[in-house]
Amino acid sequence: DSGVTQTPKHLITATGQRVTLRCSPRSGDLSVYWYQQSLDQGLQFLIQYYNGEERAKGNILERFSAQQFPDLHSELNLSSLELGDSALYFCASGGPEETQYFGPGTRLLVL
Amino acid sequence: AQTVTQSQPEMSVQEAETVTLSCTYDTSENNYYLFWYKQPPSRQMILVIRQEAYKQQNATENRFSVNFQKAAKSFSLKISDSQLGDTAMYFCAFHFQGAQKLVFGQGTRLTINP
Repeated sequence: DSGVTQTPKHLITATGQRVTLRCSPRSGDLSVYWYQQSLDQGLQFLIQYYNGEERAKGNILERFSAQQFPDLHSELNLSSLELGDSALYFCASGGPEETQYFGPGTRLLVL
Repeated sequence: AQTVTQSQPEMSVQEAETVTLSCTYDTSENNYYLFWYKQPPSRQMILVIRQEAYKQQNATENRFSVNFQKAAKSFSLKISDSQLGDTAMYFCAFHFQGAQKLVFGQGTRLTINP
């Protein structure tokens, strides 16, 4: 158990809909990273937050947004969903010496 | 740009054998960290081992060890006495100091046969 929690574990929705994925980092970690893992593109970095502030952006679509709250949990919002957004979304908690600990992931299926 | 290459898409060995997974990377940075993550069929990403670039000594975690060759930009993972539970996808990842993300290789699918 990495100490990182993600909810929900599974999500099935329709095209055009909006969903919110939630992540709580390990106790004491201030950083949260979001990654997308699809079958054909491996693991792609989406965005990072550190202590409530956006720190870095990767290949995140404009339809996607995220935030980190004062209690350090983070939410990833995906809107106007398309079939191609179906993927496994991971949250990772930033530990010491640049080590990232991953949550169990949320499996999103867009029908 | 930093890149990570895993040249072995799939590997298969018998239980109790030793197996080595290859990883090379490209960077102009001097201070960085390298990782191996394991992703079993449950799809959880599990940290296997970590290596700091400034340390010459190769990292070891029980049956897992690395061969870190900084000049060659090579970071291979050796699994000794392989077990059925080692069956998983293995990802090599790179993080240079001050960067905000891990850069992953494409993964090696390892199967341990009984």
